[in-house]
Amino acid sequence: QSVLTQPPSVSSAPGQKVTISCSGSSSNIGKNFVSWYQQLPGAAPKLLLYNNNKRPSGIPDRFSGSKSGTSATLDITGLQTGDEADYYCGAWDTSLSAVVFGGGTKLTVL
Amino acid sequence: EVRLVESGGVLVQPGGSLRLSCAASGFTFSDHYMGWVRQTPGKGLEWVGHIRDKANSYITQYAASVRGRFSISRDDSKNSVSLQMNSLKTEDTAVYYCTRVFRSQYFDYWGQGSLVTVSS
Repeated sequence: QSVLTQPPSVSSAPGQKVTISCSGSSSNIGKNFVSWYQQLPGAAPKLLLYNNNKRPSGIPDRFSGSKSGTSATLDITGLQTGDEADYYCGAWDTSLSAVVFGGGTKLTVL
Repeated sequence: EVRLVESGGVLVQPGGSLRLSCAASGFTFSDHYMGWVRQTPGKGLEWVGHIRDKANSYITQYAASVRGRFSISRDDSKNSVSLQMNSLKTEDTAVYYCTRVFRSQYFDYWGQGSLVTVSS
């Protein structure tokens, strides 16, 4: 059971938009920054967003994030088949003194 | 280009020990926190722990599941970080990723991973 809660799967059509949610608590998302990671099939995870909504160099602006209270969301617009991957949210948990992750969301682009 | 290359993953018996190493290049290693994240086959990500830089006293932090059994060390002269794993359990079976860590907040670079299998 992951500390952060994500839907196991989401799907949408090419060109459309999808939102992935990440729910936590006052000791993690409510108090600290959220990061998002993309893991393509057979590859290592890659940083997608940090500090809730900042994109590392090379990440297209189709990927955006937000945070409100103890929840965060990852939005992907203009979906492409190459976006099919597992997406994970993460945050520092002040009470646990640990980094916590969501269980991951598998994105299918139909 | 930032590169993190893990080595040392093998099959080990329960109760055994193993040391993973990670060679870093492409950035000023001594200025960064370094850490390890693992992933059980077919499952999600789990933070293992990380070590701060010299400016932050090389403080280490660990997940509760490995505290007391695993230890992280670094050699800034060799741009390397290691994960010493003792008293291994079957549930430690996972792919272990070396990561560059930004101030305990997020992991901005990942290695390709090293598979550790704990089985009799």
